[in-house]
Amino acid sequence: GDSVTQMEGPVTLSEEAFLTINCTYTATGYPSLFWYVQYPGEGLQLLLKATKADDKGSNKGFEATYRKETTSFHLEKGSVQVSDSAVYFCALSDWEYGNKLVFGAGTILRVKS
Amino acid sequence: EPEVTQTPSHQVTQMGQEVILRCVPISNHLYFYWYRQILGQKVEFLVSFYNNEISEKSEIFDDQFSVERPDGSNFTLKIRSTKLEDSAMYFCASRSDSGNTEAFFGQGTRLTVV
Repeated sequence: GDSVTQMEGPVTLSEEAFLTINCTYTATGYPSLFWYVQYPGEGLQLLLKATKADDKGSNKGFEATYRKETTSFHLEKGSVQVSDSAVYFCALSDWEYGNKLVFGAGTILRVKS
Repeated sequence: EPEVTQTPSHQVTQMGQEVILRCVPISNHLYFYWYRQILGQKVEFLVSFYNNEISEKSEIFDDQFSVERPDGSNFTLKIRSTKLEDSAMYFCASRSDSGNTEAFFGQGTRLTVV
C-alpha cells in the first residue's frame, strides 16, 4: 500500500537556521502531496501542498517541491523562528484510490532562541 | 473562515463504556473522515464516509467502531466498548467534492480510557 517516510526527529535548530525535513513516498497511483503542521496542544493544519510533478508548494516561508523522479517532497525553510516549533507531518492522498490521507510518522522541530 | 469543529475537546471514560465523539464538518463538504493519533505516534486513518455510507475503513476500524451522519450536519464516531488502547487523539476531517484534494481537520478530541 501507499506509504510515507520522513526523517526522524527531534530536529533542534537555532533561530534563523536553515531547515530541511526529508520526506519520501511510495504510491500506487499519482498522489497529491502535503505537509501538515501540529503546534503544541492543537490540531492538524495544512501547511502546503502540491498536486503534480515539479509543483512547488509554499506558505509562511516554507517550501516543498514535488519530485516524481525521486518520489520526494522535502520541506525547507530558509530561516526558522521559535514560533515554528511544532510537529511536521508529510502526507499523501491518492484521489483515484480512495482519497484518504496517508501520513508519515511526523518530525518534531524545536527552535531555540 | 469555515472550520471543522469537534466536541468534546477531552473525554475521560471507563474501560468498557461507550463513547460518542462528535464532529461538525464544513457545511458544503461531502467527504468525511476520522483519524486517530496515539500519543507520540503517527496519525492513522480510521474511516472515510461519503454519500451516507462508509467508503473505506482501515483494519483498526473493527466492529467496536461505527460512524453516523444523523442529521445532515453532525458526523459521529462511536466506540461501543472502549479499551485502554483506544486512548488517543481523534481527528475529524472533511473535504469538498470539487476535485480539491485538501482535507480540513478539526482540533481533535482527546479520549482517555481508564
